[in-house]
Amino acid sequence: GQNIDQPTEMTATEGAIVQINCTYQTSGFNGLFWYQQHAGEAPTFLSYNVLDGLEEKGRFSSFLSRSKGYSYLLLKELQMKDSASYLCAVIDSNYQLIWGAGTKLIIKP
Amino acid sequence: NAGVTQTPKFRVLKTGQSMTLLCAQDMNHEYMYWYRQDPGMGLRLIHYSVGEGTTAKGEVPDGYNVSRLKKQNFLLGLESAAPSQTSVYFCASTRTSGSADTQYFGPGTRLTVL
Repeated sequence: GQNIDQPTEMTATEGAIVQINCTYQTSGFNGLFWYQQHAGEAPTFLSYNVLDGLEEKGRFSSFLSRSKGYSYLLLKELQMKDSASYLCAVIDSNYQLIWGAGTKLIIKP
Repeated sequence: NAGVTQTPKFRVLKTGQSMTLLCAQDMNHEYMYWYRQDPGMGLRLIHYSVGEGTTAKGEVPDGYNVSRLKKQNFLLGLESAAPSQTSVYFCASTRTSGSADTQYFGPGTRLTVL
């Protein structure tokens, strides 16, 4: 079966750095997304990786290793508004999106 | 641009009742999707459409029907609601189904079936 694993919940301190991991086992791979979802709101796009390596976008970076079936989202200079769930999603060989359950990130002052 | 809108935002149904959820997008996107989101689970695809007049089943289609009579609208119907359909429903759209195409989500509909 297809599976995406993310930690259920993480806690970090304002101003710090946090890394949210995502491991996947899917039938094929055509790219990986990270979305942010604030409580009670819709998911919004953060990043997309299809090749190995690091993609940097401001305070957020996303890394992919296709050989290891692994990605992480790195958030720097954490702000209270970064408190949200972070969803990892993989595009499989049929170009269907497979979603992880999400990681709830709690930021403390 | 309103993006993707959904109506209603909240709804409470009794078991056996029917309802239709409406999704509208003003971005001229070809592809539209209906998901449900339950606690502790990832988004699960119910049905999707690759263009006006087309629909296809997703991962969890049972108990739902859809229609895409106009390109900008995608309707999700529950013919006989069951408590297991209590969930948050999200509609999304993409310009194409290309690998790098971002999904744009509506604000969600929170449905409770008693």
